[in-house]
Amino acid sequence: EVQLVESGGGLVQPGRSLRLSCTASGFTFGDFAVGWFRQAPGKGLEWVGFIRSKAYGGTTEYAASVKGRFTISRDDSKSIAYLQMNSLKTEDTAVYYCERTGYWGQGTLVTVSS
Amino acid sequence: EIVLTQSPGTLSLSPGERATLSCRASQSVSSSYLAWFQQKPGQTPRLLIYAASSRATGIPDRFTGSGSGTDFTLTISRLEPEDFAVYYCQQYGSLPRTFGQGTKLEIK
Repeated sequence: EVQLVESGGGLVQPGRSLRLSCTASGFTFGDFAVGWFRQAPGKGLEWVGFIRSKAYGGTTEYAASVKGRFTISRDDSKSIAYLQMNSLKTEDTAVYYCERTGYWGQGTLVTVSS
Repeated sequence: EIVLTQSPGTLSLSPGERATLSCRASQSVSSSYLAWFQQKPGQTPRLLIYAASSRATGIPDRFTGSGSGTDFTLTISRLEPEDFAVYYCQQYGSLPRTFGQGTKLEIK
Protein backbone atom coordinates (compact mmCIF):
# COMPACT_ATOMS: atom_id res chain seq x y z
CA GLU A 1 0.00 0.00 0.00
CA VAL A 2 1.35 3.40 -0.98
CA GLN A 3 1.81 5.65 2.02
CA LEU A 4 3.20 9.15 2.37
CA VAL A 5 3.72 10.68 5.81
CA GLU A 6 4.66 14.31 6.29
CA SER A 7 6.39 15.55 9.41
CA GLY A 8 8.23 18.57 10.69
CA GLY A 9 5.46 21.12 10.82
CA GLY A 10 4.92 23.51 13.70
CA LEU A 11 4.95 27.11 14.83
CA VAL A 12 7.79 29.26 13.54
CA GLN A 13 8.53 32.98 13.59
CA PRO A 14 8.61 35.03 10.40
CA GLY A 15 12.03 35.00 8.79
CA ARG A 16 13.00 31.66 10.31
CA SER A 17 13.43 28.27 8.64
CA LEU A 18 11.73 24.91 8.83
CA ARG A 19 12.32 21.59 7.10
CA LEU A 20 9.48 19.22 6.29
CA SER A 21 9.96 15.55 5.55
CA CYS A 22 7.85 13.21 3.47
CA THR A 23 8.50 9.57 4.28
CA ALA A 24 7.26 7.12 1.69
CA SER A 25 6.53 3.40 1.72
CA GLY A 26 4.79 0.80 -0.41
CA PHE A 27 6.50 1.62 -3.70
CA THR A 28 9.93 2.13 -5.27
CA PHE A 29 10.45 5.71 -4.15
CA GLY A 30 13.29 6.46 -6.53
CA ASP A 31 11.15 5.76 -9.59
CA PHE A 32 8.75 8.64 -8.96
CA ALA A 33 8.66 12.41 -8.88
CA VAL A 34 7.47 13.88 -5.58
CA GLY A 35 5.40 17.02 -5.33
CA TRP A 36 4.56 19.43 -2.54
CA PHE A 37 1.29 21.31 -2.23
CA ARG A 38 -0.18 23.53 0.44
CA GLN A 39 -3.53 24.80 1.62
CA ALA A 40 -3.89 27.91 3.72
CA PRO A 41 -6.64 27.82 6.37
CA GLY A 42 -10.03 27.99 4.69
CA LYS A 43 -8.48 28.44 1.25
CA GLY A 44 -7.92 26.38 -1.87
CA LEU A 45 -5.05 24.19 -3.00
CA GLU A 46 -1.73 25.62 -4.16
CA TRP A 47 1.13 23.87 -5.90
CA VAL A 48 4.49 24.50 -4.22
CA GLY A 49 6.88 22.50 -6.37
CA PHE A 50 8.24 19.08 -7.21
CA ILE A 51 11.39 17.07 -7.71
CA ARG A 52 11.82 14.69 -10.59
CA SER A 53 13.17 11.20 -10.22
CA LYS A 54 16.90 10.63 -10.80
CA ALA A 55 16.02 9.04 -14.13
CA TYR A 56 14.78 12.47 -15.21
CA GLY A 57 17.70 14.33 -13.71
CA GLY A 58 16.34 14.83 -10.20
CA THR A 59 15.67 18.45 -11.09
CA THR A 60 13.20 20.71 -9.33
CA GLU A 61 10.48 23.20 -10.21
CA TYR A 62 8.87 25.77 -7.93
CA ALA A 63 5.94 28.11 -7.74
CA ALA A 64 6.87 31.77 -8.10
CA SER A 65 5.64 32.46 -4.56
CA VAL A 66 8.33 30.22 -3.02
CA LYS A 67 11.13 30.24 -5.59
CA GLY A 68 14.43 31.26 -4.01
CA ARG A 69 13.14 30.56 -0.49
CA PHE A 70 12.08 26.89 -0.63
CA THR A 71 14.22 23.93 -1.72
CA ILE A 72 13.02 20.41 -2.44
CA SER A 73 15.44 17.51 -2.18
CA ARG A 74 15.26 13.75 -1.91
CA ASP A 75 17.13 10.85 -0.37
CA ASP A 76 16.15 7.77 -2.35
CA SER A 77 18.09 5.47 -0.02
CA LYS A 78 15.76 6.49 2.81
CA SER A 79 12.61 7.01 0.70
CA ILE A 80 12.29 10.56 2.00
CA ALA A 81 11.67 13.86 0.28
CA TYR A 82 12.36 17.17 2.00
CA LEU A 83 10.98 20.66 1.76
CA GLN A 84 13.43 23.18 3.17
CA MET A 85 11.62 26.44 3.84
CA ASN A 86 13.68 29.55 4.51
CA SER A 87 12.73 33.19 5.09
CA LEU A 88 9.24 32.15 6.06
CA LYS A 89 6.41 34.64 5.80
CA THR A 90 3.04 34.74 7.54
CA GLU A 91 1.43 33.94 4.19
CA ASP A 92 3.26 30.59 4.15
CA THR A 93 0.94 29.42 6.93
CA ALA A 94 -0.78 26.33 5.56
CA VAL A 95 -1.14 22.58 5.68
CA TYR A 96 1.63 21.16 3.54
CA TYR A 97 1.07 17.94 1.62
CA CYS A 98 3.48 15.76 -0.29
CA GLU A 99 2.23 13.83 -3.27
CA ARG A 100 3.20 11.02 -5.59
CA THR A 101 1.08 10.63 -8.70
CA GLY A 102 -2.35 10.17 -7.27
CA TYR A 103 -1.39 9.63 -3.65
CA TRP A 104 -1.26 12.34 -1.00
CA GLY A 105 -0.04 12.35 2.55
CA GLN A 106 -2.21 13.51 5.43
CA GLY A 107 -0.45 16.86 5.61
CA THR A 108 1.47 18.76 8.26
CA LEU A 109 0.52 22.20 9.55
CA VAL A 110 3.01 25.05 9.35
CA THR A 111 2.12 28.21 11.23
CA VAL A 112 4.25 31.29 10.69
CA SER A 113 3.57 33.82 13.39
CA SER A 114 5.38 36.01 15.86
CA GLU B 1 0.26 30.67 -16.16
CA ILE B 2 -2.93 28.79 -16.93
CA VAL B 3 -5.83 30.12 -14.89
CA LEU B 4 -8.59 27.62 -14.14
CA THR B 5 -12.06 28.94 -13.43
CA GLN B 6 -14.58 26.59 -11.87
CA SER B 7 -18.33 27.05 -11.96
CA PRO B 8 -20.57 27.23 -10.18
CA GLY B 9 -18.95 28.29 -6.94
CA THR B 10 -21.60 26.43 -4.98
CA LEU B 11 -23.98 23.76 -6.24
CA SER B 12 -26.98 22.76 -4.11
CA LEU B 13 -28.49 19.41 -5.02
CA SER B 14 -30.24 16.47 -3.43
CA PRO B 15 -29.03 12.87 -3.17
CA GLY B 16 -29.92 10.96 -6.31
CA GLU B 17 -29.62 14.02 -8.55
CA ARG B 18 -27.01 14.56 -11.25
CA ALA B 19 -24.20 17.05 -10.69
CA THR B 20 -22.30 18.84 -13.44
CA LEU B 21 -19.19 20.79 -12.50
CA SER B 22 -17.28 22.93 -14.96
CA CYS B 23 -13.61 23.87 -15.21
CA ARG B 24 -12.53 26.37 -17.86
CA ALA B 25 -8.88 27.08 -18.64
CA SER B 26 -7.46 30.40 -19.82
CA GLN B 27 -5.46 28.53 -22.47
CA SER B 28 -5.40 25.02 -23.83
CA VAL B 29 -4.36 22.34 -21.34
CA SER B 30 -1.52 20.32 -22.79
CA SER B 31 -2.40 16.71 -23.63
CA SER B 32 -5.56 16.99 -21.54
CA TYR B 33 -3.47 16.86 -18.38
CA LEU B 34 -6.43 17.81 -16.24
CA ALA B 35 -7.31 16.22 -12.91
CA TRP B 36 -10.24 16.43 -10.52
CA PHE B 37 -9.96 16.16 -6.75
CA GLN B 38 -12.53 15.78 -4.01
CA GLN B 39 -11.90 17.20 -0.57
CA LYS B 40 -14.03 16.79 2.52
CA PRO B 41 -13.59 18.98 5.62
CA GLY B 42 -10.43 18.10 7.53
CA GLN B 43 -9.39 15.51 4.96
CA THR B 44 -6.69 15.15 2.34
CA PRO B 45 -7.63 15.81 -1.28
CA ARG B 46 -8.59 12.63 -3.09
CA LEU B 47 -7.78 12.13 -6.77
CA LEU B 48 -10.90 11.25 -8.75
CA ILE B 49 -10.00 11.78 -12.40
CA TYR B 50 -6.72 12.22 -14.28
CA ALA B 51 -5.97 12.87 -17.95
CA ALA B 52 -9.39 14.53 -18.15
CA SER B 53 -11.38 11.29 -18.27
CA SER B 54 -9.54 8.43 -16.56
CA ARG B 55 -10.87 7.35 -13.19
CA ALA B 56 -8.33 6.88 -10.43
CA THR B 57 -8.09 3.57 -8.61
CA GLY B 58 -11.18 2.76 -6.58
CA ILE B 59 -13.30 5.66 -7.85
CA PRO B 60 -16.93 4.68 -8.51
CA ASP B 61 -18.17 4.84 -12.08
CA ARG B 62 -20.77 7.46 -11.18
CA PHE B 63 -17.87 9.94 -11.50
CA THR B 64 -17.12 10.85 -15.12
CA GLY B 65 -14.64 13.35 -16.47
CA SER B 66 -14.81 14.79 -19.95
CA GLY B 67 -13.52 17.62 -22.08
CA SER B 68 -10.40 18.81 -23.82
CA GLY B 69 -8.62 21.99 -24.76
CA THR B 70 -10.01 24.65 -22.45
CA ASP B 71 -13.33 23.17 -21.30
CA PHE B 72 -13.63 20.29 -18.88
CA THR B 73 -16.52 18.77 -16.94
CA LEU B 74 -16.91 16.47 -13.97
CA THR B 75 -20.25 14.71 -13.87
CA ILE B 76 -21.58 12.77 -10.91
CA SER B 77 -24.45 10.72 -12.26
CA ARG B 78 -26.43 10.02 -9.06
CA LEU B 79 -25.31 11.80 -5.94
CA GLU B 80 -24.65 9.75 -2.86
CA PRO B 81 -24.56 11.38 0.61
CA GLU B 82 -20.77 10.95 0.72
CA ASP B 83 -20.31 12.96 -2.48
CA PHE B 84 -21.07 16.30 -0.85
CA ALA B 85 -17.68 18.00 -0.66
CA VAL B 86 -15.47 20.55 -2.40
CA TYR B 87 -14.16 19.67 -5.86
CA TYR B 88 -11.03 21.09 -7.45
CA CYS B 89 -9.71 20.83 -10.96
CA GLN B 90 -5.96 20.97 -11.56
CA GLN B 91 -3.90 21.22 -14.72
CA TYR B 92 -0.51 19.52 -14.74
CA GLY B 93 0.43 19.91 -18.38
CA SER B 94 2.44 23.07 -17.92
CA LEU B 95 4.25 24.95 -15.21
CA PRO B 96 3.22 26.28 -12.83
CA ARG B 97 0.68 23.63 -12.03
CA THR B 98 -2.53 25.40 -11.13
CA PHE B 99 -5.84 24.67 -9.44
CA GLY B 100 -9.29 26.05 -9.86
CA GLN B 101 -10.81 27.85 -6.90
CA GLY B 102 -13.13 24.95 -6.14
CA THR B 103 -16.83 24.11 -6.38
CA LYS B 104 -18.67 23.36 -3.15
CA LEU B 105 -21.29 20.68 -3.64
CA GLU B 106 -23.79 20.98 -0.82
CA ILE B 107 -26.96 19.18 0.16
CA LYS B 108 -30.11 21.00 -0.81
